[in-house]
Amino acid sequence: AQSVTQLGSHVSVSEGALVLLRCNYSSSVPPYLFWYVQYPNQGLQLLLKYTTGATLVKGINGFEAEFKKSETSFHLTKPSAHMSDAAEYFCAVAYGNNRLAFGKGNQVVVIP
Amino acid sequence: EAEVAQSPRYKITEKSQAVAFWCDPISGHATLYWYRQILGQGPELLVQFQDESVVDDSQLPKDRFSAERLKGVDSTLKIQPAELGDSAMYLCASSFSRGQTDTQYFGPGTRLTVL
Repeated sequence: AQSVTQLGSHVSVSEGALVLLRCNYSSSVPPYLFWYVQYPNQGLQLLLKYTTGATLVKGINGFEAEFKKSETSFHLTKPSAHMSDAAEYFCAVAYGNNRLAFGKGNQVVVIP
Repeated sequence: EAEVAQSPRYKITEKSQAVAFWCDPISGHATLYWYRQILGQGPELLVQFQDESVVDDSQLPKDRFSAERLKGVDSTLKIQPAELGDSAMYLCASSFSRGQTDTQYFGPGTRLTVL
């Protein structure tokens, strides 16, 4: 069965520092992987997705993620954190009829 | 930019009462999803529609939850009777089709509190 693991429910990062959120997946077929962001009391917004092709995927708001099949990982990074990056981030893997299995999420806190 | 609409945004009810949530997907999107998100966790799929047909309701508690999409456009999710454990965010999403590369677009959600 497809599943996603996100470690560390809360992540604190200083403004201007690197943001790194880890995602490992389990999939019996080539995975389609997604990162979503959720601001308080709002729905989820797509940051980026990997389907096929280039393993380094660039998304909105300066985020990018790299698909590494050998490590079954799809970690999300941003070189320099901004206060507006404070939100919850979810990694997800698609399977079946476009069902999404989500990780538990990372709550990112940006320290001024 | 087209968005998924949901109402109400917030709902407070007492246990054993009935509640209903409404979702209007992005125009032209054939696939509609209802998710439940418990505080501190990721969303979990409750039901998936393709046009007006249910294609996956394996995680829907059918003794108390029901969902419909009669004309293949907007959808309603109902809970009757509500229980304390149903307190959560209910998210609606839509996508152009059921292809695994199709992006799911989410609405703002309905925050349900059961007292």
